[in-house]
Amino acid sequence: TQLLEQSPQFLSIQEGENLTVYCNSSSVFSSLQWYRQEPGEGPVLLVTVVTGGEVKKLKRLTFQFGDARKDSSLHITAAQPGDTGLYLCAGSNFGNEKLTFGTGTRLTIIP
Amino acid sequence: DAGVIQSPRHEVTEMGQEVTLRCKPISGHDYLFWYRQTMMRGLELLIYFNNNVPIDDSGMPEDRFSAKMPNASFSTLKIQPSEPRDSAVYFCASSLDPPSRVNTGELFFGEGSRLTVL
Repeated sequence: TQLLEQSPQFLSIQEGENLTVYCNSSSVFSSLQWYRQEPGEGPVLLVTVVTGGEVKKLKRLTFQFGDARKDSSLHITAAQPGDTGLYLCAGSNFGNEKLTFGTGTRLTIIP
Repeated sequence: DAGVIQSPRHEVTEMGQEVTLRCKPISGHDYLFWYRQTMMRGLELLIYFNNNVPIDDSGMPEDRFSAKMPNASFSTLKIQPSEPRDSAVYFCASSLDPPSRVNTGELFFGEGSRLTVL
């Protein structure tokens, strides 16, 4: 079983601060996705990364896939209350397309 | 597009009763996934289908759980008999292509079915 550990589990910061959350595994993944989930809703895709070392930016969010494709990070610049939610990483491999989700980071941005 | 539609949104039942959760995927999507989410265990994959065929059901907890996809527009997840430990939010998701595809592997989730077994 491929496990994805996310840290921190909970994070509460003030509006305007920067933050980084992490997704780590002992297994290699062909691709890794990041989702955000708000209360009462299903997760919504933010980004997919497939190349080791890849960096993708989505406005104030920066995603990086580790060189060995075992880990990833999400950096948010100047956090806003709208960034509040549960952030989930999820990995899959070519040929076995079950998408395994990480343990999640619950982020709260305080106005 | 209406998105992935799940029903019921909420279900409260007593231990031992049969529970059936329903899902209508996005039209044209070839992949359908059933997940269960709890505070303790997070989001767990139960089973996924490709073109209506079950591909991997290794996440199904035990024989009390079964899933079917009789056609491309409908899937069910059945629990019989239900137990209190089955209480969770059950999500259905669909995707056009496998999750590993960059531009077309996005999973679209429904709003979930919150199950409470007393």
